Amino acid sequence: DGGITQSPKYLFRKEGQNVTLSCEQNLNHDAMYWYRQDPGQGLRLIYYSQIVNDFQKGDIAEGYSVSREKKESFPLTVTSAQKNPTAFYLCATRQAANTEAFFGQGTRLTVV
Amino acid sequence: AQSVSQHNHHVILSEAASLELGCNYSYGGTVNLFWYVQYPGQHLQLLLKYFSGDPLVKGIKGFEAEFIKSKFSFNLRKPSVQWSDTAEYFCAVNAGFSGGYNKLIFGAGTRLAVHP
Repeated sequence: DGGITQSPKYLFRKEGQNVTLSCEQNLNHDAMYWYRQDPGQGLRLIYYSQIVNDFQKGDIAEGYSVSREKKESFPLTVTSAQKNPTAFYLCATRQAANTEAFFGQGTRLTVV
Repeated sequence: AQSVSQHNHHVILSEAASLELGCNYSYGGTVNLFWYVQYPGQHLQLLLKYFSGDPLVKGIKGFEAEFIKSKFSFNLRKPSVQWSDTAEYFCAVNAGFSGGYNKLIFGAGTRLAVHP
């Protein structure tokens, strides 16, 4: 079954802990993206990657880190440096730089 | 920096009313434009897209959008909304080829509520 898999769907984290959100795709898309969705603010770009072993900061990269060791995978780590990590996180992929994006179901992260 | 502005944060309509959601972007180069929809509890889905050619593009479920380059706008329209159109709508812009990288930037979204 083709698509984008984000896991887990819900995640709870204690303050001061790092946590990693998974994004896996079997669409063979080159580009992958991480967004954060907050009410009234739309989707804000955290990081994006157009090829393996390369990635770029988005508009709100502070407190986050990523890796792109495989084409299929683009995990996002929310570090303790992120001041307000509670949010809905969306992963997206694109076949090429100027095509439409496809989205995963998202991970809702709550800091307790 | 590139940005996308959606003018209406919340829109409430009755069924059969016409809809127009505004979207403006700030980028002077080549752009690709998108409208996405997020129904309650579902993931984002593409409504329509503009890459080149006819500036009036038609999408799924009776939606259309017009690209007006001189106004940096890409407004979404539907002549007659249905209750099932209740959702959040996002405008997105692929902002060119800055240093070989493409950022896909989204607006803040518009929540549409359609009453029967």
